Amino acid sequence: DAKTTQPTSMDCAEGRAANLPCNHSTISGNEYVYWYRQIHSQGPQYIIHGLKNNETNEMASLIITEDRKSSTLILPHATLRDTAVYYCIAPSGYSTLTFGKGTMLLVSP
Amino acid sequence: NAGVTQTPKFQVLKTGQSMTLQCAQDMNHEYMSWYRQDPGMGLRLIHYSVGAGITDQGEVPNGYNVSRSTTEDFPLRLLSAAPSQTSVYFCASSSDSDTEAFFGQGTRLTVV
Repeated sequence: DAKTTQPTSMDCAEGRAANLPCNHSTISGNEYVYWYRQIHSQGPQYIIHGLKNNETNEMASLIITEDRKSSTLILPHATLRDTAVYYCIAPSGYSTLTFGKGTMLLVSP
Repeated sequence: NAGVTQTPKFQVLKTGQSMTLQCAQDMNHEYMSWYRQDPGMGLRLIHYSVGAGITDQGEVPNGYNVSRSTTEDFPLRLLSAAPSQTSVYFCASSSDSDTEAFFGQGTRLTVV
């Protein structure tokens, strides 16, 4: 796996965009960047993944820098239900899908 | 759709007891895996399978056995439970190594 580095915690006001950064400077050319989140003690939930291009789905947008050494997950209009731990992962294979401590995002009214 | 189903949701074991955590998926996924999550920590991979009849060890396999006789099921066995195995266990499945993984809701295991 490429090592990923995320801030321990972040705050966001409800209705505002939440921008969660991730550094993955050792990522190799064929490694995707995945984002998952874990709400309270539930099972992790897939959000989005990408390789080189920016990606968008109904949940979020993923912006990957041109050198692929970092990425940003964007929740365009954060709600209280988006309060969760967000994990950035860059696995080199299925067997190495490991989760770090992630970023605890607290969305406040 | 049921997705990934784990049973039981909660379990208390005495040291030395054995038990099997069940995991079933109805999405015809080839890839399945087991993770444990300790308080304040991320998930750590225990064992995984890339298809029926094929299993391999993850990061923390000691004390756990798995088998994959069908595509749908991937049970995790604790042969002799220890307090260090107190944790929350998650099962996951995906159709390929480069696709999203679906997780179950977890089994909260306490070994006393």
